[in-house]
Amino acid sequence: DTAVSQTPKYLVTQMGNDKSIKCEQNLGHDTMYWYKQDSKKFLKIMFSYNNKELIINETVPNRFSPKSPDKAHLNLHINSLELGDSAVYFCASSQRIGIEQFFGPGTRLTVL
Amino acid sequence: GEDVEQSLFLSVREGDSSVINCTYTDSSSTYLYWYKQEPGAGLQLLTYIFSNMDMKQDQRLTVLLNKKDKHLSLRIADTQTGDSAIYFCAERGPGEPVLTFGGGTRLMVKP
Repeated sequence: DTAVSQTPKYLVTQMGNDKSIKCEQNLGHDTMYWYKQDSKKFLKIMFSYNNKELIINETVPNRFSPKSPDKAHLNLHINSLELGDSAVYFCASSQRIGIEQFFGPGTRLTVL
Repeated sequence: GEDVEQSLFLSVREGDSSVINCTYTDSSSTYLYWYKQEPGAGLQLLTYIFSNMDMKQDQRLTVLLNKKDKHLSLRIADTQTGDSAIYFCAERGPGEPVLTFGGGTRLMVKP
């Protein structure tokens, strides 16, 4: 009964490959997010979706394409992976007008 | 844009109080948060405070907010080894519910 879940937990891949990370929340929230945490632990917002619609896109390269098939899912597809994409990617969810934002366990992406 | 800053590292002895500080620049912040990240784990929401409050206490945790100085602190009373983690301060503006995080403070608790 995990609230926000992500798969996979670890992802190791070669430069140039295309990969996807999946996120699901069972909290009934209407807003979901992707954050990137770099090697220095800095966390930055990448995208936010409300009711399957993109509401925030923070100057992320268009190699990153989020997809929200329904309110409970927000997947992140990354094309042509680069070394600098290595990071931990966190999914989160909240109510748009809510106070609390809940985070998934993270996906550690390593690009070789 | 908004900026949130924290000191990188804090070391305390078990049983002492820990105080983790945070400063932010966005005067229109509505909510301020403290998250905890244990090694290899996700972010756990510890507590939050609304910007019109000065203080919030929740068991061993006390949050103090000085809105004039844009300074937020988290005090952990009777710090335990299980409190060792990275603590992130975050702020939310009045618009979309996106959080801006500080760089995190690594708390080390020595037995």
